[in-house]
Amino acid sequence: QLVLTQSPSASASLGASVKLTCTLSSGHSSYAIAWHQQQPEKGPRYLMKLNSDGSHSKGDGIPDRFSGSSSGAERYLTISSLQSEDEADYYCQTWGTDVVFGGGTKLTVL
Amino acid sequence: EVQLVESGGGLVQPGGSLRLSCAASGFTFSSYEMNWVRQAPGKGLEWVSYISSSGSTIYYADSVKGRFTISRDNAKNSLYLQMNSLRAEDTAVYYCASPKLVRFWGQGTLVTVSS
Repeated sequence: QLVLTQSPSASASLGASVKLTCTLSSGHSSYAIAWHQQQPEKGPRYLMKLNSDGSHSKGDGIPDRFSGSSSGAERYLTISSLQSEDEADYYCQTWGTDVVFGGGTKLTVL
Repeated sequence: EVQLVESGGGLVQPGGSLRLSCAASGFTFSSYEMNWVRQAPGKGLEWVSYISSSGSTIYYADSVKGRFTISRDNAKNSLYLQMNSLRAEDTAVYYCASPKLVRFWGQGTLVTVSS
């Protein structure tokens, strides 16, 4: 069964960097994923598509501070030079027969 | 500019029905597969249903199978979700989203199921 696992929460200081992780279930390490950001009281926003080889393509207007990387079944979203507006929920997403979302990571900017 | 605009949400009693619409613009709607995704209050994103670009392939989450029906009208650039036998646990903001590896999101429409 295709499952995406995310840590429920993360925190980092203003101006620092943070790396969020999304783990694909066993047997699905070749899958591409998408990262989405949801700021408080707003709808989701597409950040990027991230392939298994670490190549990624970002959505329109997504700052260079956002980048992606991969290692095996792990997919990462790195946000550098953290700003207050980066405080949000971050979801990874992929698809098999169905569309699958991770549980989301709530990022707090200290 | 790609736009997805949902409508049709509201307050409905348990057991009732509601039909959501999603109007698409700024891209070739007929070439894109579409999804409905929902988010219950304080919860994460939950995929609800998928329809292929032609409408020939449809999938549903187990939680809505047999109660919800997804459809599309490519001539009208529109996506629909017919929701029957609604339950309190269907209360959520409903988003249309495209394609399977989602790049485009609507702003959402709130469905509240309550007596």
